[in-house]
Amino acid sequence: GNSVTQMEGPVTLSEEAFLTINCTYTATGYPSLFWYVQYPGEGLQLLLKATKADDKGSNKGFEATYRKETTSFHLEKGSVQVSDSAVYFCALSDRSGGGADGLTFGKGTHLIIQP
Amino acid sequence: GAGVSQSPSNKVTEKGKDVELRCDPISGHTALYWYRQSLGQGLEFLIYFQGNSAPDKSGLPSDRFSAERTGGSVSTLTIQRTQQEDSAVYLCASSLSGVAGHDTQYFGPGTRLTVL
Repeated sequence: GNSVTQMEGPVTLSEEAFLTINCTYTATGYPSLFWYVQYPGEGLQLLLKATKADDKGSNKGFEATYRKETTSFHLEKGSVQVSDSAVYFCALSDRSGGGADGLTFGKGTHLIIQP
Repeated sequence: GAGVSQSPSNKVTEKGKDVELRCDPISGHTALYWYRQSLGQGLEFLIYFQGNSAPDKSGLPSDRFSAERTGGSVSTLTIQRTQQEDSAVYLCASSLSGVAGHDTQYFGPGTRLTVL
């Protein structure tokens, strides 16, 4: 079956530090990959996505590259801000095997940015 | 336009009672999804609707859980004879078509269910 593995944290960084949140996946077909973010007191929202190998998704200074050879989709940001404090979820959607479109999520990484 | 809405936002019930959770998707979205978010299990996919039909119900945790969607719009998730382990945040999402796996799913704020 499909699965997503990501570091759970909490990850604590100082403002302007470089961020990497690792995400690796197992899928039977050719999945699309997503990063969702949940800010305190708010709902899940899409941060970025990539639909095929070597695609790079980017948004709000965050980037992630779909690496099929390492089955990874690591999230990076060059300089984090206090406002980036949130829980980040890596997810995949794999319909190539004829299954449903439900997303398979990682456990989430709680990111805390200190001023 | 309006996003996905869910009601109620909070529900407290006694063990053994039935509950109904409602989801209003974004207008024009044909695909609708239910998920459950709990501390122990993280985010779990429950069921997916394409229009009014549910091609895959395999994520529903037990036969106490059922869902329907009418008119290709509003969906109701029903939990019968609630148990304490059903306590979680139930999330609804919708996407434009659901046919392609890369459709963006837009999530509602969730219903927090507490079973006493």
